[in-house]
Amino acid sequence: GQQLNQSPQSMFIQEGEDVSMNCTSSSIFNTWLWYKQDPGEGPVLLIALYKAGELTSNGRLTAQFGITRKDSFLNISASIPSDVGIYFCAGGNSGGYQKVTFGTGTKLQVIP
Amino acid sequence: SAVISQKPSRDICQRGTSLTIQCQVDSQVTMMFWYRQQPGQSLTLIATANQGSEATYESGFVIDKFPISRPNLTFSTLTVSNMSPEDSSIYLCSADGTGQETQYFGPGTRLLVL
Repeated sequence: GQQLNQSPQSMFIQEGEDVSMNCTSSSIFNTWLWYKQDPGEGPVLLIALYKAGELTSNGRLTAQFGITRKDSFLNISASIPSDVGIYFCAGGNSGGYQKVTFGTGTKLQVIP
Repeated sequence: SAVISQKPSRDICQRGTSLTIQCQVDSQVTMMFWYRQQPGQSLTLIATANQGSEATYESGFVIDKFPISRPNLTFSTLTVSNMSPEDSSIYLCSADGTGQETQYFGPGTRLLVL
């Protein structure tokens, strides 16, 4: 089946630093989604990407849909303590409905 | 975006019993999904629920163990049947973003089976 690998698996960064994480797949996806999950909560959608090469921003977050359609990147600029959490990518192939496959997750810790 | 609630938020159950989890969406949606998330792990899709038809189960999940109902366009239930400690997990429901290729999630149900 499809597998989405995220890297790094976890990271510690200093408050104010920029963060980069990526997601790679063995298969092509038509949609890439990025979620953040806080402890004890469900995942919250951050950014949705629908077109190869697309670059989309949401505040301090920027994500890109890789041109090969097998990868995606998420950048967080000027990190703050509330950025702590687990970030998941998800790839989708709409075939009448949106069924997605989730990545392995990147755990982010921000040191004040 | 859709706002999704789940009940119960958590439960502790005895081996061999069953628990039904409810998922309510604040707007009509076409597809609803049920996921399982083991502690510290990613999300695994259990099944997709479409109103008016049988749920579609992923490999490794069967209807006898995880029966699902979808009586209308805003509500679904997942039952975890004949539970064992291996069923201890977080169960999440999600709904498609109507008109958008996205999914929105509920807060999850934390299940501990003793």
